[in-house]
Formats: sequence, C-alpha cells, structure tokens
Amino acid sequence: AQSVSQHNHHVILSEAASLELGCNYSYGGTVNLFWYVQYPGQHLQLLLKYFSGDPLVKGIKGFEAEFIKSKFSFNLRKPSVQWSDTAEYFCAVTSNTNAGKSTFGDGTTLTVKP
Amino acid sequence: KAGVTQTPRYLIKTRGQQVTLSCSPISGHRSVSWYQQTPGQGLQFLFEYFSETQRNKGNFPGRFSGRQFSNSRSEMNVSTLELGDSALYLCASSALQQETQYFGPGTRLLVL
Repeated sequence: AQSVSQHNHHVILSEAASLELGCNYSYGGTVNLFWYVQYPGQHLQLLLKYFSGDPLVKGIKGFEAEFIKSKFSFNLRKPSVQWSDTAEYFCAVTSNTNAGKSTFGDGTTLTVKP
Repeated sequence: KAGVTQTPRYLIKTRGQQVTLSCSPISGHRSVSWYQQTPGQGLQFLFEYFSETQRNKGNFPGRFSGRQFSNSRSEMNVSTLELGDSALYLCASSALQQETQYFGPGTRLLVL
C-alpha cells in the first residue's frame, strides 16, 4: 500500500524567508506526485505535479518541487514566502495501478508572519 | 470551463439518518473520486468511479456507497450516520484515470 509522510506539521516563517516542506512516499512502482494548497476557507488547489521528465518542477505562485527517486522524496520549496502563502499544504501520490486514488500526507500548516 | 461543483455545501443531520451528496465533475471528465477530510484523519480516499463503474475503493464501512451516472455526475450516500461521519466530503474529477484531479469545494456534513 502506498503512503505519504510529511515531516512538518506546522511551520512558522517570517515574510521573505525561504521555505522547504518535506514529503516522502512509500511505493515500489511508478508514481505521480502532487502538491496541493488549501487556503483558509477555500478548496484544494493544485500547486504543481510531477509525472515524468525533469525532476525539478515549477508550479504556480513561485513554488517548485524536486523529485528525488532514490530518496522517495518530493520536497516543496519557495525562495521567499509571502503572508498570502499562509495555508495548509498537502503532498499526494497516485500510482498507475491505483488510478484515480490519491494518497495524501497529513498536511503541513504554514503560517507566515508579516 | 466550470469547476467541480458539489451540493449541498453544508448539511446537518442526526445520528441514524442517511445522507446523499452530489458531485458534478468538470465537463468532459469521466473519473470522479470522493474523499473524507477530518482534522484527526486528514484526507482519506473513499472511492473512485470511472464510466459508471467503481474502480477503486478505500477502507470505509459499507455504510458509505456511491454511484455514477451516464453524464459522469456522481452521488455519495452514507446510511445510518454516526457522529464520527462529521467531516468535509470532497469530490475530485479528472479527464483520464491518471491525470490531475481537480477538487470541488466540498460538502461539510455535521452529524448531531
């Protein structure tokens, strides 16, 4: 069974600080990887995704993530956070053998202080 | 294109009742998945339908069921509601089974 682990439950940063949120997954086969963001009172939105190709993927709002296959990791990064990035971030994985089923991490709540 | 829509947005029920939630996917999307989101358990997969067939099922009791219609719209039913069923129920659709899922705003269910 696939599983996703997000290392940080709650991260607090000041504006302009750099962000890195850890995500590790457990699955032996081919996976697709996603980061979603849920702003307060809003629904889940896709930040970025990795299916294949360049392991460094860029998403919306200046976010990027790097897939490291040997480490089963897909960490999310942003060089300089803004107050508006305050939200909950979810890492998710799907596999080709369980299409349509996303397995989510527990989420990381990011609070950015102005 | 319009996004994924879910109705109703909010619902209050009492223990023992049953509830039906509805999801309309993005036009052209044939895969619809349902998730339960709670503070304690996070986001958990319920089931996925593709072309009116259930393709995947999560680890939920049989009280949770669903179906998909020929127009790809989906419904989820929970019978004999329990307090622990209080949650945000999210629906997601995708064009193909392995493509990106797009989420709706959810239905917030409160069981009293």
